[in-house]
Amino acid sequence: NAGVTQTPKFRILKIGQSMTLQCAQDMNHNYMYWYRQDPGMGLKLIYYSVGAGITDKGEVPNGYNVSRSTTEDFPLRLELAAPSQTSVYFCASSLLTGKGELFFGEGSRLTVL
Amino acid sequence: RKEVEQDPGPFNVPEGATVAFNCTYSNSASQSFFWYRQDCRKEPKLLMSVYSSGNEDGRFTAQLNRASQYISLLIRDSKLSDSATYLCVVPRPGSARQLTFGSGTQLTVLP
Repeated sequence: NAGVTQTPKFRILKIGQSMTLQCAQDMNHNYMYWYRQDPGMGLKLIYYSVGAGITDKGEVPNGYNVSRSTTEDFPLRLELAAPSQTSVYFCASSLLTGKGELFFGEGSRLTVL
Repeated sequence: RKEVEQDPGPFNVPEGATVAFNCTYSNSASQSFFWYRQDCRKEPKLLMSVYSSGNEDGRFTAQLNRASQYISLLIRDSKLSDSATYLCVVPRPGSARQLTFGSGTQLTVLP
């Protein structure tokens, strides 16, 4: 089982560029999440989804967009990249919400210069 | 009080030592709590879930004190492989679907 797969693992962007971080899971989980982690900080929830076609904002959604057209995929779109978006991005999925284990991808390290 | 707060450490302990971390939380309605482990430059992985007064798994014991709103993680007989950052995780107030991660407590077990 691949679990949660994120691509790319590393990316450098220039200010104002856009990009999409890809996330796919093969565990048939309904719940999927995008977090960012800044150095020495906890993970902050950007967006989450409770199923195909349903997404909702988390704690820090500004500057990001998501879509959930299938159960497996949950891409994160960065529009007009800013240095403040330099971070490590983790995608996660879970079978249950609030009580169940989150399964994380290996992370995507993004630098905006 | 912050949603979740942890002592960042670092905790440097010798092999075989017992070490304990505390985590305070603000959401008194929370029913479930979690400890995740994160190795350097890796993704977090679930270590333990805490649903009632406590939970034990081998050398690891998690305890919950609802009156004082804190959870603790006790590691006995520390191993070199226990070196990692330990993240306390609680549901966000008003939203059971969203989890709040603490900033983590860094542990280094020394030979």
